[in-house]
Amino acid sequence: QSALTQPRSVSGSPGQSVTISCTGTSSDVGGYNYVSWYQQHPGKAPKLMIYRVSERPSGVPDRFSGSKSGNAASLTISGLQAEDEADYYCCSYAGRYTLVFGGGTKLTVL
Amino acid sequence: DVQLVESGGGLVQPGGSLRLSCAASGFSFSDSEMNWVRQAPGKGPEWISYINDNGRPTYYADSVKGRFTVSRDNAKNSLYLQMNNLRVEDTAVYYCARDFTGWSLDWGQGTLVSVSA
Repeated sequence: QSALTQPRSVSGSPGQSVTISCTGTSSDVGGYNYVSWYQQHPGKAPKLMIYRVSERPSGVPDRFSGSKSGNAASLTISGLQAEDEADYYCCSYAGRYTLVFGGGTKLTVL
Repeated sequence: DVQLVESGGGLVQPGGSLRLSCAASGFSFSDSEMNWVRQAPGKGPEWISYINDNGRPTYYADSVKGRFTVSRDNAKNSLYLQMNNLRVEDTAVYYCARDFTGWSLDWGQGTLVSVSA
């Protein structure tokens, strides 16, 4: 499968909100409610932030929210904080026990 | 807490082999579906393999099919990835990842595999 499409970078000031988009196809994002989002700081492993489109694991601040419409999903981070600066990756189930990831978005907190 | 600790990475020549291991703790490994995901330097993650909780079925990305084999030993709480006929493009950090729920992942810290002459 082809990778999901994400913007290469987004930025925002502390306290603001940013939204990261993730575009796929009807064979992945549009076909299943199994979209997840991961945060990755430099040199670290990815950390699960959102699962099943909009669910948050325990311990993830409610500033992080997810949604989906058609073949596109999005991650919104409200009340930006300095520690939110990281790379963010979306991921979708793509059928037949396979997963597809996005290319990643670098979030800069100005 | 969920802990996934990968080992076995290193430098290998093209055409060589490596076997990665992942030691799991903090959850019921024998009831968990597991995956291997890799991330090349500066790139996004790439899913490469899935294994069901009892070892069957297994699935692979086209990029590694026929060269990589995933297996598990539930008695040892361990996951494995046998990698044969390695190519330069297989250079990446390899992560062991538990299916948290709904095809989302909890990740280990990763092990670096470098394929170079």
